[in-house]
Amino acid sequence: GAGVSQSPSNKVTEKGKDVELRCDPISGHTALYWYRQSLGQGLEFLIYFQGNSAPDKSGLPSDRFSAERTGGSVSTLTIQRTQQEDSAVYLCASSLDLVGRTYGYTFGSGTRLTVV
Amino acid sequence: AQSVAQPEDQVNVAEGNPLTVKCTYSVSGNPYLFWYVQYPNRGLQFLLKYITGDNLVKGSYGFEAEFNKSQTSFHLKKPSALVSDSALYFCAVQGNGGFKTIFGAGTRLFVKA
Repeated sequence: GAGVSQSPSNKVTEKGKDVELRCDPISGHTALYWYRQSLGQGLEFLIYFQGNSAPDKSGLPSDRFSAERTGGSVSTLTIQRTQQEDSAVYLCASSLDLVGRTYGYTFGSGTRLTVV
Repeated sequence: AQSVAQPEDQVNVAEGNPLTVKCTYSVSGNPYLFWYVQYPNRGLQFLLKYITGDNLVKGSYGFEAEFNKSQTSFHLKKPSALVSDSALYFCAVQGNGGFKTIFGAGTRLFVKA
């Protein structure tokens, strides 16, 4: 596609429910990243997929969070048993080069998650 | 560990005046430095980068940034601000050999007409 597409754009869920957030990166981009942006906070790194290598999961805040990238393209971020502190905007980005140094990252518009 | 500090939550400047948005970083080895901008109701956009070479790098929309190794800074600048520059600006760093980019907390720029 022309840009990084994220769905849904908004999600309201009840505490304790599971949610899935989807990211469709730019075609041909080899690297994919998930970040979280909380109100008044910067971007918090969550996970990084680089080509066919094992993902860097070092930023996932707890074992309730998981992500996968199927076929080197679409990625899904899953949050199990959601808590109110999970409320944030979840941003996905992709880059043409493996580390995003040449052209930077292209970000999607994000999914605003609200846990009530 | 990598870190980025943006010491100002907000910067106010009058249209036509020069603007500076400050950023300092901490990283092992040579840094790779970036600025991104987030306009209201729009996604984050890449503005410019420093990888190596000239300390003054130029980017989109007339912005430039100066890398200062001794001060571990990478301040964003523009000679003449526009009202349309009002947005949230993020500085980011990637360490040598590392693949994740760490972002600062952001600085909100207000340009008044």
